[in-house]
Amino acid sequence: KAGVTQTPRYLIKTRGQQVTLSCSPISGHRSVSWYQQTPGQGLQFLFEYFSETQRNKGNFPGRFSGRQFSNSRSEMNVSTLELGDSALYLCASSPTGTGNTEAFFGQGTRLTVV
Amino acid sequence: AQRVTQPEKLLSVFKGAPVELKCNYSYSGSPELFWYVQYSRQRLQLLLRHISRESIKGFTADLNKGETSFHLKKPFAQEEDSAMYYCALRGNFGNEKLTFGTGTRLTIIP
Repeated sequence: KAGVTQTPRYLIKTRGQQVTLSCSPISGHRSVSWYQQTPGQGLQFLFEYFSETQRNKGNFPGRFSGRQFSNSRSEMNVSTLELGDSALYLCASSPTGTGNTEAFFGQGTRLTVV
Repeated sequence: AQRVTQPEKLLSVFKGAPVELKCNYSYSGSPELFWYVQYSRQRLQLLLRHISRESIKGFTADLNKGETSFHLKKPFAQEEDSAMYYCALRGNFGNEKLTFGTGTRLTIIP
């Protein structure tokens, strides 16, 4: 079974630009969550999608948005990039995203804003 | 609101010595608790979850509801245990998100 795939692996963008990150979950998984990982803050929850609907949202500004398609693939968009958005963005998928179910992580997209 | 606290950012332990990584949580209910691990150049992966009461790679974690803690322990550290460890919590009321602590970097000294 293929794991969670995130593309691209690396991105360099300029302040003010926008960026779109993609996540393909494990086949059959309907829940996709996004996290921002930084050395000082650890993993901070951005949002979760289930069956094309945003089910949970973290405390990030509206510049961060996402969506999920009917095949469960998800995209995350960041507009008007700031230097502080530089981070590793992780995507995780699970069958239901509830209870004690395991979250399976992708390798992440490393975003650098210059 | 749910919160996970890992008080130690860095922990160094000699090979063969016992390891304990601390995790405290805040949640008004009965949460599901997990430990995730990230080895160098590998993706984040589940180490163990409290519901399973299992020992993985010699690690165990006991949920202490009175102290709201879920510390990770191993009696004898091995060099391959060096990694970043994250404690995580998911609430049990409906469809709740998975919240992580800030992580502890464990280094095993040979």
